[in-house]
Amino acid sequence: DSGVTQTPKHLITATGQRVTLRCSPRSGDLSVYWYQQSLDQGLQFLIQYYNGEERAKGNILERFSAQQFPDLHSELNLSSLELGDSALYFCASSVSPTSGGPNEQFFGPGTRLTVL
Amino acid sequence: LAKTTQPISMDSYEGQEVNITCSHNNIATNDYITWYQQFPSQGPRFIIQGYKTKVTNEVASLFIPADRKSSTLSLPRVSLSDTAVYYCLVDTGYSSASKIIFGSGTRLSIRP
Repeated sequence: DSGVTQTPKHLITATGQRVTLRCSPRSGDLSVYWYQQSLDQGLQFLIQYYNGEERAKGNILERFSAQQFPDLHSELNLSSLELGDSALYFCASSVSPTSGGPNEQFFGPGTRLTVL
Repeated sequence: LAKTTQPISMDSYEGQEVNITCSHNNIATNDYITWYQQFPSQGPRFIIQGYKTKVTNEVASLFIPADRKSSTLSLPRVSLSDTAVYYCLVDTGYSSASKIIFGSGTRLSIRP
């Protein structure tokens, strides 16, 4: 158990809909990262927050947005969903504002999103 | 951006040493190299991290040559439970414009 929690575990929805994925980081971690992993694909970095502020941005679509709240939990919002958005979405947390340096990311169990 | 390249797959046998190499030609001065292990439908798990030369922990070693353009993860005496996907990560982590790029991963299969 990494200490990172994600809800829900599974989510099934229809094209055009909007969903919200939630992540609670490990106690004491200020950084939260979001990743997308499509079937049998690698991890695609979406976005990172540090202590409530956006820190780094990957190839996140404009239909996707995220935020980190004062209690440090984070939410990833996916809107106008398309079939191709079906994937595993992982959240990770770390102590440091940078994932470089002597630092490691702790990953949650993921949310499996299925768009029908 | 420091893009990484890894072999798509590797096969080995129980008890053997396995070496997985990652190329990162555009690695920046402040970048660290981190390796993660992922089992199906689970989140990746940290294995080892290094900046230069050699790092060793209880599960693996990481070799980084002087030019830092590649790194090699070494798994001693693998077992069936080491069957997983291994990712190399290089991150330009000291800038607000940092990008986090995982390699495509190496699917390691261990046979009895």
